[in-house]
Amino acid sequence: AQSVTQLGSHVSVSEGALVLLRCNYSSSVPPYLFWYVQYPNQGLQLLLKYTSAATLVKGINGFEAEFKKSETSFHLTKPSAHMSDAAEYFCAVSPTGGGNKLTFGTGTQLKVEL
Amino acid sequence: GAVVSQHPSWVICKSGTSVKIECRSLDFQATTMFWYRQFPKQSLMLMATSNEGSKATYEQGVEKDKFLINHASLTLSTLTVTSAHPEDSSFYICSAPSGGFSYEQYFGPGTRLTVT
Repeated sequence: AQSVTQLGSHVSVSEGALVLLRCNYSSSVPPYLFWYVQYPNQGLQLLLKYTSAATLVKGINGFEAEFKKSETSFHLTKPSAHMSDAAEYFCAVSPTGGGNKLTFGTGTQLKVEL
Repeated sequence: GAVVSQHPSWVICKSGTSVKIECRSLDFQATTMFWYRQFPKQSLMLMATSNEGSKATYEQGVEKDKFLINHASLTLSTLTVTSAHPEDSSFYICSAPSGGFSYEQYFGPGTRLTVT
């Protein structure tokens, strides 16, 4: 079975500082990996995805993530945090082949302070 | 991008009654849709896979007689919570795969169910 682990249920950064949200996956074969953002009382929006192409993936709103097979990681980063980045972030995994059900991590609440 | 809508966005019902939640793909067809449940401050848990033209597939531990799923057309799936109880209060979110090779899923905005 596939799973993802997100380290840190809450992360707080200053505006303009680096954002780093951690995600490690467990899978017998490299899966597809996704980062989603959720604002309060809303659905999920895809930030970026890894589907076995380039290991460094760039997404929307200045976010990017790097797939590292040796570390089974897919950490999300953004060079400079903005107040509007405050939200819940979910890492998710899907079996290779796409279109299949997603397994989500427990989520990381990002707080951005002035 | 593709849009998935849900209706209603929030609903309050009394214990013992049934509630139907609709999930629609607005500009694409979806032979498969997924239903998730999210408790406050928690992650999304997959409840079931809705399949157009066939029975839904439920995840382990999900009562199929309580959470009835009907995939009526290529753009509509419904989740009916039967004989709702306060412990069924939650945020219900549906999603639909984009199809093709994008491997994306599009999520609805969610439905907040409160059972009193």
